[in-house]
Order: sequence, then structure tokens, then C-alpha cells
Amino acid sequence: SQQGEEDPQALSIQEGENATMNCSYKTSINNLQWYRQNSGRGLVHLILIRSNEREKHSGRLRVTLDTSKKSSSLLITASRAADTASYFCATAPLSSNTGKLIFGQGTTLQVKP
Amino acid sequence: GAVVSQHPSWVICKSGTSVKIECRSLDFQATTMFWYRQFPKQSLMLMATSNEGSKATYEQGVEKDKFLINHASLTLSTLTVTSAHPEDSSFYICSAPPTSRRWETQYFGPGTRLLVL
Repeated sequence: SQQGEEDPQALSIQEGENATMNCSYKTSINNLQWYRQNSGRGLVHLILIRSNEREKHSGRLRVTLDTSKKSSSLLITASRAADTASYFCATAPLSSNTGKLIFGQGTTLQVKP
Repeated sequence: GAVVSQHPSWVICKSGTSVKIECRSLDFQATTMFWYRQFPKQSLMLMATSNEGSKATYEQGVEKDKFLINHASLTLSTLTVTSAHPEDSSFYICSAPPTSRRWETQYFGPGTRLLVL
């Protein structure tokens, strides 16, 4: 089952601009993770934020988590053409003790040079 | 960093044949592995949880008799698509959390692209 909703579904920006993607989910989670996928390729892990954390940074990435609203956002600052990819949020449901991930629908980001 | 491999990376087969896809954790043990399917321009859909030494757990709507999963060792899980049909054409991806850190980052394989003619 897929529990994540992401918006926007597609985002097109100019190089140097910031990109913000949002993710909403339905059930209680242990953590939320963001992944990047270049066209037709495997997943690259970007960042993990635990349910007791509210904000996390990694380089040009900033992730927020609001468990009361069951939502998260990913901000990519000073975007580059190489950031063009699909971005997915994935949640680890508390109801599962296996650590399985449920993926959102994804946001396709295009960064124009 | 930890690496998960998949073999083959792509496969083309005729309708009605069976295809086996391997997922290996190369430098860590994984009692649990996950199998996902991704159709073009869509997200990853969890198909099943592969459990070492016991039966796999399938997500709702996934046919267990069609997608056979065997977790033969702490580093190997296989997915067999039996009697494949064109609608099974997809990108199959496995992932594995290290046994001791299942709530942490998972490591994903590079995926296997299956085309059924």
C-alpha cells in the first residue's frame, strides 16, 4: 500500500533557485526518508529524519517534519542542473517492526541551466 | 558504504517463462529484504518482505504464487516471476536494512528492468 502523497507532482525551476517539495502521510511513523532517483536508475538516499526531530540539514538540503500534520518538506537550495531527478519521500510505519518503507508518489524536478 | 547488488540488471523474456532476480547484500547481513516494483513514471510499490529462514510477507494485492520469494541466506534473496506476462514488465528494486539497524537507512539495489514480450 502506498501512503505518501507528494506535491507538486512536477516542478520546473531555473538554476540557482530553491526547490521545495512536500510530502504527506497517513499513519504514525518511526522515521521519514527522502530519496532521489535519476531517470531509469536506482535510488540515492538523501536524508533521514526521525519522528522526534523537527528539522535536519545536509549540505544544500533542508528537511522538516511535522508529525502533528503528518507532513514533511524537502528544500533544495541554490539548485543545479544536476539536481534534475525524481524525489521521493518514504515513511517507516511504526506498525511494522521490519523497517519497511512506504513511498510517496514522488516529485519530478527539472532544473534548467 | 554498504552495497546491495542485483542480478541481472535487465532481462528480456518471452511470455510464459519464469525469471529469477537476485538481491545480495555484499558487506552486511540482512535478515530482512524488501522487494519493490516501479512502473514507468510511477513510484515504488512495496511487493513483499523477504524473511531469512521463513516465508515472505506479501502486500495486499500481490500474488504470492506468481512472485515467489526465497531468502536463502543472510545475504541473498531471490524473486522469481513465474509465468511472466507483458503486464509484469517493470523495474524491480530490492532493498536491505542491516539487521542491527533496521530503522536506519536502507540500502537499495540498482534495480532489474524486466521486459516480457
